[in-house]
Amino acid sequence: DSGVTQTPKHLITATGQRVTLRCSPRSGDLSVYWYQQSLDQGLQFLIQYYNGEERAKGNILERFSAQQFPDLHSELNLSSLELGDSALYFCASSSQHYTQYFGPGTRLTVL
Amino acid sequence: GQQVMQIPQYQHVQEGEDFTTYCNSSTTLSNIQWYKQRPGGHPVFLIQLVKSGEVKKQKRLTFQFGEAKKNSSLHITATQTTDVGTYFCAGRDSGGYQKVTFGTGTKLQVIP
Repeated sequence: DSGVTQTPKHLITATGQRVTLRCSPRSGDLSVYWYQQSLDQGLQFLIQYYNGEERAKGNILERFSAQQFPDLHSELNLSSLELGDSALYFCASSSQHYTQYFGPGTRLTVL
Repeated sequence: GQQVMQIPQYQHVQEGEDFTTYCNSSTTLSNIQWYKQRPGGHPVFLIQLVKSGEVKKQKRLTFQFGEAKKNSSLHITATQTTDVGTYFCAGRDSGGYQKVTFGTGTKLQVIP
């Protein structure tokens, strides 16, 4: 158990819909990262937050947005969903030593 | 932007054979980390290398960081079925913000 929690574990929705994925980092970790992993693919970095502020942006679509709240949990919002958005979405957190601890992921299926 | 490539993309080995995956960055790195993702699981941190030419061992796993700090390798001696999974390297930029970029991953299958 990495100490990072993600909810929900599975999400099935339809095209055009909007969903929110939630992540709680390890206690004390200020950084939160979001990644997308399509079937048998690598980890596509989406975005990073540090202590509530956006720190780095990767290949995140304009339909996607994220935020980190004062209690350090983070949410990833995916809107106008398309079939191609079906993937595993991982959240990771890190401390000052930069090692990333990954949550169990949310599997999103868009029908 | 920084790119981190890994080869091979896939590797099938007979149990007991050795396995090596190579990681190459387009830019100089301040450090490199390795992660393992078991099938159906999430990436798990294995090790971090910081110094040029550094070599670290974890039981049957040997990790190397290149002299120029632009490449790294992971070697597994005498693979076991428990080694199955995808191995990712993750390189941290040496300048500025020090963004981390994950490699493309190497998927290892061990045939018993």
